Amino acid sequence: DAGVIQSPRHEVTEMGQEVTLRCKPISGHNSLFWYRQTMMRGLELLIYFNNNVPIDDSGMPEDRFSAKMPNASFSTLKIQPSEPRDSAVYFCASTPDRGGGANVLTFGAGSRLTVL
Amino acid sequence: QQQVKQSPQSLIVQKGGISIINCAYENTAFDYFPWYQQFPGKGPALLIAIRPDVSEKKEGRFTISFNKSAKQFSLHIMDSQPGDSATYFCAARRNTGTASKLTFGTGTRLQVTL
Repeated sequence: DAGVIQSPRHEVTEMGQEVTLRCKPISGHNSLFWYRQTMMRGLELLIYFNNNVPIDDSGMPEDRFSAKMPNASFSTLKIQPSEPRDSAVYFCASTPDRGGGANVLTFGAGSRLTVL
Repeated sequence: QQQVKQSPQSLIVQKGGISIINCAYENTAFDYFPWYQQFPGKGPALLIAIRPDVSEKKEGRFTISFNKSAKQFSLHIMDSQPGDSATYFCAARRNTGTASKLTFGTGTRLQVTL
């Protein structure tokens, strides 16, 4: 199993540009989560999907952030327009958890975003 | 609102010593308490986890102690090794019915010195 695959691993962009981060969850996992990690705020849950449907997006900081999951094997997190304060490491994680199991999240390696 | 409070923020332990990281939670709806280990440049990885009906769980050198009445739990690393140097996150899971939502502590950066 290749695990959760994220791309790009590193992204440097200028303020105002659109950024798209991509995630491929583990096959068979039906829940997908996007987290943001910063020194100041630690790991913050942005949004999560269950069976490709967004369940809770209350952690999405602003309308500049959007996430989609068009199918069970692919999700995107988009920031438009990007700002320097969006600089962080963005993690995608998945789980086969169907709401009651003991399975916990498996994280990808993260996408480090730097907005200049 | 910080629902899971973790301390200390950083910890330096000598090789062979015991590392102790503490967490406290507020929401009694949490039903599962995992610990994650994160090395630089990597994503967090599940280390060990415990359910609230158990007071202690041990896996090798890693032990979770859980105090349900106090709403506190801690990670103990026995015989700490330089390879244990990493950031450790406690977490608490709430079952929403459609998925499990993890709330993380702020992390503890552990350095094990020779």
